[in-house]
Amino acid sequence: KQEVTQIPAALSVPEGENLVLNCSFTDSAIYNLQWFRQDPGKGLTSLLLIQSSQREQTSGRLNASLDKSSGRSTLYIAASQPGDSATYLCAVRRTGGFKTIFGAGTRLFVKA
Amino acid sequence: ETGVTQTPRHLVMGMTNKKSLKCEQHLGHNAMYWYKQSAKKPLELMFVYNFKEQTENNSVPSRFSPECPNSSHLFLHLHTLQPEDSALYLCASSQEQAGPYEQYFGPGTRLTVT
Repeated sequence: KQEVTQIPAALSVPEGENLVLNCSFTDSAIYNLQWFRQDPGKGLTSLLLIQSSQREQTSGRLNASLDKSSGRSTLYIAASQPGDSATYLCAVRRTGGFKTIFGAGTRLFVKA
Repeated sequence: ETGVTQTPRHLVMGMTNKKSLKCEQHLGHNAMYWYKQSAKKPLELMFVYNFKEQTENNSVPSRFSPECPNSSHLFLHLHTLQPEDSALYLCASSQEQAGPYEQYFGPGTRLTVT
């Protein structure tokens, strides 16, 4: 059974700091891994998707990596801004179907 | 705006009521999903439809009944719900035919069962 864990559960950093969010999964038979952000009471916004054959994806100040063998993904945020404050979720889709398992998220607060 | 809309945005219903949630995607995707987000729990996949056919049912109680008349519309029919069913219900869609497989979410329906 796939389990997805995100560490830390919460993080507070000063503006401008570079930071790393972690996502680990127990079953390496994944199809893809997707990172989202969620603002309070809102839906999810897709940030990056990494296919199982890829090692990383970049979009602006965001970089996501994937290491299937160790069951880990990281989301790197460069030069953090107060507008980055949100909950960040990772989701793992298994191979051979649509089943997607989400982590509990990391709540990020960037102080001005 | 992500191209996935959900109505209503807020819903309060009694345990004996029947109501429906609606989701519509304007992205030309072929797969649609229902998720439940409860307080202090990770998002849980409920149902998946691909080209109108149900492909996933994550052991959801029968008081939740999905309907997918076409690839652009998805409904969740609710009846005789329990207070613990109060949650944010999120709809998502993705393009599965040759990718990119990325899931796009709607804003959700905040459901309160009294």
